Amino acid sequence: QKEVEQDPGPLSVPEGAIVSLNCTYSNSAFQYFMWYRQYSRKGPELLMYTYSSGNKEDGRFTAQVDKSSKYISLFIRDSQPSDSATYLCASHTGGFKTIFGAGTRLFVKA
Amino acid sequence: ETGVTQTPRHLVMGMTNKKSLKCEQHLGHNAMYWYKQSAKKPLELMFVYNFKEQTENNSVPSRFSPECPNSSHLFLHLHTLQPEDSALYLCASSQDWGRDRGAYGYTFGSGTRLTVV
Repeated sequence: QKEVEQDPGPLSVPEGAIVSLNCTYSNSAFQYFMWYRQYSRKGPELLMYTYSSGNKEDGRFTAQVDKSSKYISLFIRDSQPSDSATYLCASHTGGFKTIFGAGTRLFVKA
Repeated sequence: ETGVTQTPRHLVMGMTNKKSLKCEQHLGHNAMYWYKQSAKKPLELMFVYNFKEQTENNSVPSRFSPECPNSSHLFLHLHTLQPEDSALYLCASSQDWGRDRGAYGYTFGSGTRLTVV
């Protein structure tokens, strides 16, 4: 079983839709959770970072962590074509190790 | 220049060649990393340097040889690679301490797209 699992997609939505991206993880020691956005031919860019359970909001983006079900989500409101990218989730134990998901490709159609 | 800069952006090399990838960070971070990204696979950590000392080598074959002359520069020397080494090689940096290194996220460069023929 992979430590962090992510549906590869692709996920295609119309402009203005609410997007839900999800990951599951298996290691209950994970405490830090991150979402990265990666555009084509670019490196990943840190979008959101959260510690433990709960929600964090930044503009149109909301990160949610449910430690009881080991579930990580990223919601994008009012999605734009510029949101088209690959989204990577990542988890960290607090013990040096960051584990990445394989990424979900998102297409937002104008 | 800001952030993390990687050169070259693209590299095609034969299996008998020797080449080097270069990374420079302008953020004053104390940790630098090499990651390998293959299609539809999670990022694979290769090497970690903290204050220019190698602190992790993630069972990487010896045909990959890292070098960190100072806390701002990182190199990855390549020799006698295999076609399966073709991938995007990403350099990253972070400003972290102790056990939480990487917990607050990394700043990545744009990567070097390597093709081994």
